[in-house]
Amino acid sequence: KQEVTQIPAALSVPEGENLVLNCSFTDSAIYNLQWFRQDPGKGLTSLLLIQSSQREQTSGRLNASLDKSSGRSTLYIAASQPGDSATYLCAVQGGSEKLVFGKGTKLTVNP
Amino acid sequence: EAGVVQSPRYKIIEKKQPVAFWCNPISGHNTLYWYLQNLGQGPELLIRYENEEAVDDSQLPKDRFSAERLKGVDSTLKIQPAELGDSAVYLCASSFTSGEEQYFGPGTRLTVT
Repeated sequence: KQEVTQIPAALSVPEGENLVLNCSFTDSAIYNLQWFRQDPGKGLTSLLLIQSSQREQTSGRLNASLDKSSGRSTLYIAASQPGDSATYLCAVQGGSEKLVFGKGTKLTVNP
Repeated sequence: EAGVVQSPRYKIIEKKQPVAFWCNPISGHNTLYWYLQNLGQGPELLIRYENEEAVDDSQLPKDRFSAERLKGVDSTLKIQPAELGDSAVYLCASSFTSGEEQYFGPGTRLTVT
């Protein structure tokens, strides 16, 4: 059974700092990995999707990497802003074609 | 392009009452998902539809939960009767096909009293 772990559970940083969120998964047989953002009381917004054949994806200040063999992904956020404050969720899609989510990392960027 | 639409956004009911949630996926998306998200947890899949066929409902508590997607577009998730432990956010998502990027709606926050 696939299990996804996200570390840390919460992170507080000053504005402008670069930061890394971590995601690990137990079964390396995945099709893709997605990073989502969730604001309080809202649904999920897809940030980046990395196919199993890819090593990384970039969108603006966000960069996600994937190391399938070690079961790890990182989400790098450059020059963080208060508007980046949210919960970031990592999810993997495997043979069952369903997304298995971690519990998320709650990020707070302080002005 | 309109995103995934869900209604209602919030629902408060007494235990043992029925409740229904509605989802309209992104136009052209064949795959539709219902997820349950408890506080402080990641979403968990309840059911996945390919067009009108439920292809994965292994996590759906079938004694009280039911779902349908009659014409392969809109979907309804029902709980009857609701229990206190059903209080959660119910999320709907869609994708062009299985394995593609999933897009989520805003969710329905259910409170059972």
